[in-house]
Amino acid sequence: RKEVEQDPGPFNVPEGATVAFNCTYSNSASQSFFWYRQDCRKEPKLLMSVYSSGNEDGRFTAQLNRASQYISLLIRDSKLSDSATYLCVVNLQGNTGKLIFGQGTTLQVKP
Amino acid sequence: ETGVTQSPTHLIKTRGQQVTLRCSSQSGHNTVSWYQQALGQGPQFIFQYYREEENGRGNFPPRFSGLQFPNYSSELNVNALELDDSALYLCASSPTGVLLNTGELFFGEGSRLTVL
Repeated sequence: RKEVEQDPGPFNVPEGATVAFNCTYSNSASQSFFWYRQDCRKEPKLLMSVYSSGNEDGRFTAQLNRASQYISLLIRDSKLSDSATYLCVVNLQGNTGKLIFGQGTTLQVKP
Repeated sequence: ETGVTQSPTHLIKTRGQQVTLRCSSQSGHNTVSWYQQALGQGPQFIFQYYREEENGRGNFPPRFSGLQFPNYSSELNVNALELDDSALYLCASSPTGVLLNTGELFFGEGSRLTVL
């Protein structure tokens, strides 16, 4: 079983749509959680951290359910510029730099 | 841009050869991590260097090795290349103590290795 699992998609949605991505992780000792964004042929960049209480950054909302070992990302009012791969990321070992990435979910927003 | 630079950007090698990839970390960042990203997959942790020593390693064989220099730049060396080593190799830097709180690694644009 993969340590972090995501539906690879692709998700094809029209502009303005709301889209949700889900992710599960296998290790209950995981300490912190993040979503990264990776544009085509570019490097990953931190999109947002994920907190147990849920957190929002503009059109983006992230949620964590530790009991179910489940992480989600909701994007409202999708823009063409949101087209990218969204990587679910777990930090297992504190400050060692070992982030565990999911396979990524590809989003294509159409006009 | 992140300020993390990698070289070369693209290279082609044949099976059995050796390769060295280079990374200059962002100013003020003393920790460097290396990741391998195969096509259609997420990045996989290879190892991390802090104060010129390996500080954590993923599930990669010993033919993957690295170095960190006093200026915090780093090298990734891969010996006896195999076809499955074809991937994007990403270097990421961070300041010490930040990762746990922010999860923010600053990635370079990567070195794309093709093994024929």
